Amino acid sequence: ILNVEQSPQSLHVQEGDSTNFTCSFPSSNFYALHWYRWETAKSPEALFVMTLNGDEKKKGRISATLNTKEGYSYLYIKGSQPEDSATYLCASVMNRDDKIIFGKGTRLHILP
Amino acid sequence: KAGVTQTPRYLIKTRGQQVTLSCSPISGHRSVSWYQQTPGQGLQFLFEYFSETQRNKGNFPGRFSGRQFSNSRSEMNVSTLELGDSALYLCASCPRGTTNEKLFFGSGTQLSVL
Repeated sequence: ILNVEQSPQSLHVQEGDSTNFTCSFPSSNFYALHWYRWETAKSPEALFVMTLNGDEKKKGRISATLNTKEGYSYLYIKGSQPEDSATYLCASVMNRDDKIIFGKGTRLHILP
Repeated sequence: KAGVTQTPRYLIKTRGQQVTLSCSPISGHRSVSWYQQTPGQGLQFLFEYFSETQRNKGNFPGRFSGRQFSNSRSEMNVSTLELGDSALYLCASCPRGTTNEKLFFGSGTQLSVL
C-alpha cells in the first residue's frame, strides 16, 4: 500500500520568515509527485508536478525539490506572507497509469 | 476559460438514500477524477474516468460508482448512504490523465448524511 506522509501536520510561521516542509513517499516504482495549495473556502490549486530525481521547480516565492531515490520532496516558502496561509498537499503516483495518493497535508498559518 | 464546475454545492440526505453528484470539466479536458475529503483524512481517490472509461478505482465500497459521458462530464453516485459518507466530494480534470499532469479542481459538493 502506498503511503504518503507529510510533516509537520501544522506549522505557525512569522510573516517574513522562510519555512519548509516535507513529503515522504515510497521510492519504488515512483512516477510523479504533485504539490497543491488549498486555501480555506477555495479549491486546491496545483503548484508543481515533478517526475525526475533532482527536479527543482519554482513559482514566485515557493519552490520544491524532489529526491526519488530516498523518497522525499521539500516545499520551501521564502519570506512568508499572509496569503501563504493554506494547507499544502503533496500526492504521489507509482507507475504511469496508477492512481494518485494524497498525503494529509501541512497546515501553514502565517502570523502577522 | 471556465473552470471545473460541480453541482450541487451542498446536499443533505438521510441514511439509506442515494445521491448523484455532477462534475463538468474544463473544456478540452478528457480526464475526470473524484475524491472524498473527510475531517482528519487527506483527499482520498475514488475513481478516474477517461474517454468514458473508468481507468482507476480507489478503495471504496461498490456503493460508490461513477460514469463519464461523451462530452467528458462526469457523475458520481452513492447508493444506500451511510453517516460516514458525509464529506466534501471534489472532482478534478486534466487533459489526459492524473499521473504527471496538474489537476484542476472544482469547488466541491458538501454532502451531509443525517
